[in-house]
Amino acid sequence: GAVVSQHPSRVICKSGTSVKIECRSLDFQATTMFWYRQFPKKSLMLMATSNEGSKATYEQGVEKDKFLINHASLTLSTLTVTSAHPEDSSFYICSAAQQGPGEKLFFGSGTQLSVL
Amino acid sequence: LAKTTQPISMDSYEGQEVNITCSHNNIATNDYITWYQQFPSQGPRFIIQGYKTKVTNEVASLFIPADRKSSTLSLPRVSLSDTAVYYCLVAFNQAGTALIFGKGTTLSVSS
Repeated sequence: GAVVSQHPSRVICKSGTSVKIECRSLDFQATTMFWYRQFPKKSLMLMATSNEGSKATYEQGVEKDKFLINHASLTLSTLTVTSAHPEDSSFYICSAAQQGPGEKLFFGSGTQLSVL
Repeated sequence: LAKTTQPISMDSYEGQEVNITCSHNNIATNDYITWYQQFPSQGPRFIIQGYKTKVTNEVASLFIPADRKSSTLSLPRVSLSDTAVYYCLVAFNQAGTALIFGKGTTLSVSS
């Protein structure tokens, strides 16, 4: 299957700082990427849809000013958690859509964010 | 987006065949059915995708009846390493369509 690389895998930061997470599709071009958030023993929650060259579309309840998404190329999308607070601590996962007869999503390995 | 219903959990023993069924009564004509596997602290991994009848790859088979209102993921001869959460998703075949995850099925394989 296609490969999606996500970095960093784990980050610990102080409250009030910003953290950037990168998501790269390594062997295919992805016009669209998605960002999910997951709490322990819960399912993935869609945060936003990232489209190359345009503004991201955020799900209801997700603060666009706190979770900045940039999709500057067909292989890279970034999520920046601005002014992080302890409640932002979570597992963040990106995915990239590979087009075909049935669209398939390939996921990064996730980023565990801990805000102290 | 079609809503999916799966069993919350299943238990099995090593070497057995495991079948996980997902119901999606309001699946649309253009929807595909995709299954993912997720281990703790990892992103979901694509297992298999199908539209109708049967699809088989090196790790699993997917059975879809004619009415497409359900689907069954079949894992042959499971091992301890197959212990994971399995998600069934139904998505419209359109560029940029996000996948909305249900609660998934937690499969526990014992020796």
